[in-house]
Parts: sequence; C-alpha cells; structure tokens
Amino acid sequence: NAGVTQTPKFRVLKTGQSMTLLCAQDMNHEYMYWYRQDPGMGLRLIHYSVGEGTTAKGEVPDGYNVSRLKKQNFLLGLESAAPSQTSVYFCASSSGTDRTGELFFGEGSRLTVL
Amino acid sequence: GQQLNQSPQSMFIQEGEDVSMNCTSSSIFNTWLWYKQDPGEGPVLLIALYKAGELTSNGRLTAQFGITRKDSFLNISASIPSDVGIYFCAGLSLGQGAQKLVFGQGTRLTINP
Repeated sequence: NAGVTQTPKFRVLKTGQSMTLLCAQDMNHEYMYWYRQDPGMGLRLIHYSVGEGTTAKGEVPDGYNVSRLKKQNFLLGLESAAPSQTSVYFCASSSGTDRTGELFFGEGSRLTVL
Repeated sequence: GQQLNQSPQSMFIQEGEDVSMNCTSSSIFNTWLWYKQDPGEGPVLLIALYKAGELTSNGRLTAQFGITRKDSFLNISASIPSDVGIYFCAGLSLGQGAQKLVFGQGTRLTINP
C-alpha cells in the first residue's frame, strides 16, 4: 500500500552542490508531477510528465531538471543548489483519465540549502 | 495567470465547533477539489466536485461547487483534534490536464482542546 514514495525525506546541501530527489509510484499512473511548497505560497508546479520518456516545464522550472526513464519513477535534480531552493518538495501522480485533478501526493522531501 | 483566493488564511477554534472556509476565483473552473495536509505529510484529496451547484459530503465534511463556477466552500462539522492541518482548494478549467491545476494558498486550522 505504498502509493507515492519520495526519497530522501530530509537533506541539507551547501550552495552549489547537486542532488537528486527520487519519486516512485506503484499505481501505474501515467502522469507525475513535482511541486514545491513555501510558506504563504501554496503549491507551485516545477515540472511534470504525461508519460514515460516525456517531461515538461511547470510554473517554476528554473534551476531544476527532471527525468522519467521509467513509468513508475520521476526524478528531480538540482545541478547547483541555491538558498532560494530551500523548500519542501512534493511528488504527485494521477491516472490521466478525466479525473485528472485527483492527485496522489508523496510525504514530501524537506531540502535546506545553506 | 489564474489565481485562487482562499479564506481565511488561518483559523483558531475550539474542539466541537463547526468550520467554514471558501475559495473564490476571477475565472470559471469546471472542477473544484479540496485537499488536506496533515503536519509533516503530503496533501490528501478530501472531496472532488465536478458539477456547478453540486453539494458533496464525506463524513463530517461537506463541500459545494458554487453555481457561478467561480467559488467553492468547505464546511467541517463538530471539529475534532485530527482535523488540524492545512486545507487547500484547487480548481481546474474545462479540458485542462492536472498540470493546469490551480491551488489556493491554504487555510491553516488549529484546534484548542
């Protein structure tokens, strides 16, 4: 009964370091998303994917890259971390049917960039 | 772009009280959704609304899709401690995929025992 799993849950980086967040879903969903959540800002979409091998930019894509090599996995990369990327990151997935607004979220990954 | 105005931003209530929160938009949405985020967790879908005027319940929660398609309301009756968290509304326009989902800024609910 895993649903959407994110790793790691917590990470502290120094400015300029790189890292990758992994998202895995076991619901055979076509669509996957990466959001960031900041105080008072709600959820903002970084990148998304509508299927294996596809990715697209969301609202706030700068400084991030993504890959979807396997249907069940969606990776979010930071090539050169900046303090402005300190945030809580959420991965989500959806089936891609007519009920596309119904998202399943992971538990979040809290990233601090010093 | 589209924005949702969610109010109130925070609520401090006593256990057992009823709660009301709402979302308004300058744009028309064809789907309204309400999510809840427990402390330290990801959001979880509470209620999805697909038809203007629709009133849907999920236990002590009741949500309505405004007849103008520009607003939605969420009510919680007889609040209990586990209702604590952040409640997000979200809207989606006709024909749009979930990448176009617009989220409100959230209502933080705190319950005093």
